[in-house]
Amino acid sequence: GENVEQHPSTLSVQEGDSAVIKCTYSDSASNYFPWYKQELGKRPQLIIDIRSNVGEKKDQRIAVTLNKTAKHFSLHITETQPEDSAVYFCAASVRGGSNYKLTFGKGTLLTVNP
Amino acid sequence: DAGVTQSPTHLIKTRGQQVTLRCSPKSGHDTVSWYQQALGQGPQFIFQYYEEEERQRGNFPDRFSGHQFPNYSSELNVNALLLGDSALYLCASSLWTGETQYFGPGTRLLVL
Repeated sequence: GENVEQHPSTLSVQEGDSAVIKCTYSDSASNYFPWYKQELGKRPQLIIDIRSNVGEKKDQRIAVTLNKTAKHFSLHITETQPEDSAVYFCAASVRGGSNYKLTFGKGTLLTVNP
Repeated sequence: DAGVTQSPTHLIKTRGQQVTLRCSPKSGHDTVSWYQQALGQGPQFIFQYYEEEERQRGNFPDRFSGHQFPNYSSELNVNALLLGDSALYLCASSLWTGETQYFGPGTRLLVL
């Protein structure tokens, strides 16, 4: 089955700096890659996603890049703010004969210091 | 427009007991997936329901079972609880034809 590795496990940056989180996946058939942000005690919230027919997607300060050949994808957050502090999860998914099931990485705890 | 809701928010059980967790999907969604999130880990896929049938399943034992009702809401049942079942149980709703999954707030289960 699919395996997703996520690095780093913790990341501390100064407010205004950029943050990059990287994930690799094992199943070359995976074609959908969402990123979720989970604040302490809250539900995971989808912040951005990318499909395998796209190499890059941007939404304001957040961008995701996908390299299908290398089977890795990354989350980039620019101009970080204290409210960006949370745990970020990447996931990979493939639609086989059924609907998508998400395989998650272990998460990255991002701390943005004021 | 209501988002995904789950009940109860917290639950304490003892080993060997049984538990039922409930999920109501986002309005207009027809597919419910259940995930287990252990402390400090990413969510792990348990199973997925559509048209009142289990459509796919992750690596969880038969002690984990579920149900989907005609109104698309869903239940997760866990029998013969083990200490290791302590976790946050998340449900996610989606359209069967789509890939985006929206999560509920979760039920935090503690097994003593």
